[in-house]
Amino acid sequence: SAVISQKPSRDICQRGTSLTIQCQVDSQVTMMFWYRQQPGQSLTLIATANQGSEATYESGFVIDKFPISRPNLTFSTLTVSNMSPEDSSIYLCSVGGQGGSGYTFGSGTRLTVV
Amino acid sequence: AQKVTQAQTEISVVEKEDVTLDCVYETRDTTYYLFWYKQPPSGELVFLIRRNSFDEQNEISGRYSWNFQKSTSSFNFTITASQVVDSAVYFCALSGYNQGGKLIFGQGTELSVKP
Repeated sequence: SAVISQKPSRDICQRGTSLTIQCQVDSQVTMMFWYRQQPGQSLTLIATANQGSEATYESGFVIDKFPISRPNLTFSTLTVSNMSPEDSSIYLCSVGGQGGSGYTFGSGTRLTVV
Repeated sequence: AQKVTQAQTEISVVEKEDVTLDCVYETRDTTYYLFWYKQPPSGELVFLIRRNSFDEQNEISGRYSWNFQKSTSSFNFTITASQVVDSAVYFCALSGYNQGGKLIFGQGTELSVKP
């Protein structure tokens, strides 16, 4: 299975600023996914990132708030823009494969907005 | 629409007890995949198992076992002889065949194993 390196592991940010989270995969993958886990909650999909096309966002998430880049088949970034305390969450990237086989997650970015 | 329900929000057991975590799912897909993940306090997601919808055989891995029943749309997880290190939040998740890895998660069950 793929190995994902996610950075940063945690950060404390001031409200109104932006943070970019990076995920590097050790193999080429078609689809990458970004999830948010609010405190004490389950994981919710933010968007699906395919190389060479715009990310597809889930209901309730917009590109202006969570811009995503996918420049190649091994790398993606998620930016959390104009942060507020409500954005304090764990953000995780995941890689998918054929037939629902994707199940690898990055180690997560624990974001606190003050 | 796809949905995963983990009705047990929190479970507390004493070490060496057996414990079963329930998972009920909804999907219209005929081919789908079910997963269990463990999330310890450190926050990372640890993959435990993936089960295909066409394979209803139960699975055992050490102290862990899974019971998949399509007739009741359930995919329950049992830990035998629980240990303190099993304390974590456990998530059940569902993915349709054409979703390429996009997962729908249940709300999670927080398991606390006391010595």
